[in-house]
Amino acid sequence: DAGVTQSPTHLIKTRGQQVTLRCSPKSGHDTVSWYQQALGQGPQFIFQYYEEEERQRGNFPDRFSGHQFPNYSSELNVNALLLGDSALYLCASSFRGAIAAQYFGPGTRLLVL
Amino acid sequence: AQSVTQPDIHITVSEGASLELRCNYSYGATPYLFWYVQSPGQGLQLLLKYFSGDTLVQGIKGFEAEFKRSQSSFNLRKPSVHWSDAAEYFCAVGENTGGFKTIFGAGTRLFVKA
Repeated sequence: DAGVTQSPTHLIKTRGQQVTLRCSPKSGHDTVSWYQQALGQGPQFIFQYYEEEERQRGNFPDRFSGHQFPNYSSELNVNALLLGDSALYLCASSFRGAIAAQYFGPGTRLLVL
Repeated sequence: AQSVTQPDIHITVSEGASLELRCNYSYGATPYLFWYVQSPGQGLQLLLKYFSGDTLVQGIKGFEAEFKRSQSSFNLRKPSVHWSDAAEYFCAVGENTGGFKTIFGAGTRLFVKA
């Protein structure tokens, strides 16, 4: 049983560019949440997708957007990249957005130059 | 707003010694509380969780945590630390308001000395 998978593992972009990160949830899960973890900090909630809709959003600008596909996989898009967007982006999945514990993927390390 | 405070940025313990990592939360209702561990270059692994009931919860790898409502605390403990426990530990509170999100503390880095 595959857990949460994310791609790519590492990515280097320059300021102003756009990036798309991908996440496949754990088998049987239908809810995907995205988190940003800057170096030396705890993860911060970006948003959550369930039934292909954004259900909850953290304090992130509109440059951060997402999408969920019918197969429950998800994408995180970040436009107009800033140096401060450099971070580890974590995807977590759960069943029906429940308060049950989420399963986290290994993350995508984004470096913005 | 909900928040989680981990007062210790880093802690060093000797292998075989006991461990306690502190966590304080701010939340209006009964909180959903978690402890996660993150090894270098890894994602987050759930150690244990508290939703309700017995305030002493057991987790994986020999960890336990105690929920104390009067102190708004959820401290993580382990009676005997192994070198492989060296990692970053995050306390978190779950918020369910039409969608579920997890609010994390800043983390405590655990160093284990031989």
